Amino acid sequence: SQTIHQWPATLVQPVGSPLSLECTVEGTSNPNLYWYRQAAGRGLQLLFYSVGIGQISSEVPQNLSASRPQDRQFILSSKKLLLSDSGFYLCAWTPGGLTEAFFGQGTRLTVV
Amino acid sequence: SQQGEEDPQALSIQEGENATMNCSYKTSINNLQWYRQNSGRGLVHLILIRSNEREKHSGRLRVTLDTSKKSSSLLITASRAADTASYFCATTAGAQKLVFGQGTRLTINP
Repeated sequence: SQTIHQWPATLVQPVGSPLSLECTVEGTSNPNLYWYRQAAGRGLQLLFYSVGIGQISSEVPQNLSASRPQDRQFILSSKKLLLSDSGFYLCAWTPGGLTEAFFGQGTRLTVV
Repeated sequence: SQQGEEDPQALSIQEGENATMNCSYKTSINNLQWYRQNSGRGLVHLILIRSNEREKHSGRLRVTLDTSKKSSSLLITASRAADTASYFCATTAGAQKLVFGQGTRLTINP
C-alpha cells in the first residue's frame, strides 16, 4: 500500500536560518507531488507541485524553493527564513492524472 | 490564487441535523473533490465528482455539482459529534495541480 511520510511534525527556527522539509512517498511510482501552506484557520495555499523528477512548478513568488531529487522525494527549502514563513506545511501526492490526493500529517513551522 | 470558495466559513449545528456546505469556483474543471481536516492534521479525501456528473453519494455524504453555476454542495446527513472538522473543496483543471478553497469549519454540538 502507498504511504506518505513528512517530517518533522513540528519545527521552531530562528529568523534567518535555513529550512529543509522532506516528504517521501512509498508504494507508488511517478507520483505528482505537492507542497501546501496553511495559515491558522485558513485554506491551503498551493506553493509548488511536481509531475516528475526535476520538474517543479511554482505557484507564488516567495522565500521558498522546492526540489525533487528522486521520483518519490519532495523537498521544501529556504536559505533564510522570515517570520511570515510560519505556518502549517502539508505535502501531498496524487497517482498522476486528476484523482484524489493523499496528504502527509503536516509540519508546523514557527519562525521566531 | 484560490479556485474554490466555501460557504459558509463556519457552521454550528446540533447532532442529528443535516449540514450543508457550498463551494463555488471560477474556471472550467475536470473534477471537484471534497476533503476533511481534523484540527492540526492532514487532509483526508471524502469524495470526487467528475465534471460530467451531477450528484454522487457515499454513506452519509451527498455531493452535487452544477457546472453551469460553477458550484458544488456537500451534504452530511444525520450529523455526529465526530463530524466536527474543517471541510474543503478542491478543483483540478488543465494542469495537474489541485487547488483548495478556504474551507468551512463545521461544529456538531452534542
